This record gives sequence, structure tokens and C-alpha cells, in this order.
Amino acid sequence: AQKITQTQPGMFVQEKEAVTLDCTYDTSDPSYGLFWYKQPSSGEMIFLIYQGSYDQQNATEGRYSLNFQKARKSANLVISASQLGDSAMYFCAMREGTGGYNKLIFGAGTRLAVHP
Amino acid sequence: NAGVTQTPKFQVLKTGQSMTLQCAQDMNHEYMSWYRQDPGMGLRLIHYSVGAGITDQGEVPNGYNVSRSTTEDFPLRLLSAAPSQTSVYFCASSYTRTASSYEQYFGPGTRLTVT
Repeated sequence: AQKITQTQPGMFVQEKEAVTLDCTYDTSDPSYGLFWYKQPSSGEMIFLIYQGSYDQQNATEGRYSLNFQKARKSANLVISASQLGDSAMYFCAMREGTGGYNKLIFGAGTRLAVHP
Repeated sequence: NAGVTQTPKFQVLKTGQSMTLQCAQDMNHEYMSWYRQDPGMGLRLIHYSVGAGITDQGEVPNGYNVSRSTTEDFPLRLLSAAPSQTSVYFCASSYTRTASSYEQYFGPGTRLTVT
């Protein structure tokens, strides 16, 4: 069963605008965590943001915020004030259970293109 | 700190050959993992380790072996390479659960082609 679903294969946004990348997940474990990673064309995996299932507030890291809607099982990434350097693949990932910090399940990714 | 290092960066193998992908980290992380990334897909977990001497299988372990004799090193062995193992391989490491850090640190990847 697919546990992480990213329904947008590709997105584009104008520079300086905000963009939302969708992620839905499926788990029966009450303890889990959700990650977003960025993969530029150079290939490395860059950690962006993390949200724990028990965290009361939505996570934020600079221009990145995670719109966590637990009842809907969604964890969308919001990038504000897009920059040309934000053009990359973006992956949503999940860990399950109280451990599992090195056992991530990844979605298929969304390719974001930022246009000037 | 060098972080997570992987060697080689590129490798071409013939079907049936064996080889070892090297992974090392200098952050004293207990957790280490190997993932593969096929074109147009996310990463899939091959094997992981929660400490020296302890390893376990992930989602796609067939055709691969691992060992963890030290905290720093976590090599991945391809026993008999097959074209289906053509992929980009990422090694990652992380702390055990702490209040302040959940991040997995990824290596730069090894691009493997099996002909």
C-alpha cells in the first residue's frame, strides 16, 4: 500500500510568489513524523523541514512551512517568496513509530520550476 | 566534519560482477541507512542499521548485503550485479531520537550502471 502520495508530478510558480506542494500519507501508527527534502539537479538530498505527529504547531523553517492537517492526513509544503534556486525535485517522506528515524518512506516527488 | 561520504561517485559493472559501495560518517551517528533512487521515483530503503553489529532489511533488500563493524562505516555489497540494480544509491545517517534533531544526513550518492 502506498503510504506517501504526491499527486503533483510537476508544478511551476512565478518568482516571488508562494507555492504549495501536496503530500498525503497513510499510517495507523499514532506516532509518526513527516519530512520534506529538496533534491536539486546536482542530486544531493537537502533536508528542509520536519513535523512530528504530536507537534501542536505547524513547523516552519525560514521560507518553508508545513501545513499539517492530521485529520486529513496531509502535510503540504508551502514555500513563500519563491526564488529561482528553489527549482528542484521535492520529496515528502514519513517515518513510523517512536523509532524509525532512519527508515523513511518517500513519495515519488514533485518537480518545481520557478519562472522569472 | 566531512559529514557522510560515499565512494565511488560513479561505477559501471557488468552483469554478474560484485562490488562494495562504501559509506562513512564522522558525526558519531548511531543510525545509518542505504536507499536507492530509480529514475522518476523517490528513495526506497534497502538496509539499515541502528548501531555497530546490528543491521536489518528495508523495503528492497534482495541482491544486497550489509555489515556494520564500526559506528563510522556501513558498506553495501552487491553480490551479483543485475541490470535492475542500475540506480543512484544514497547512504544516510542520523542521531538516535533526540528532542532537537530528526534530520537524516545524506551522502552525495553513487550512480551505478549495470550493463
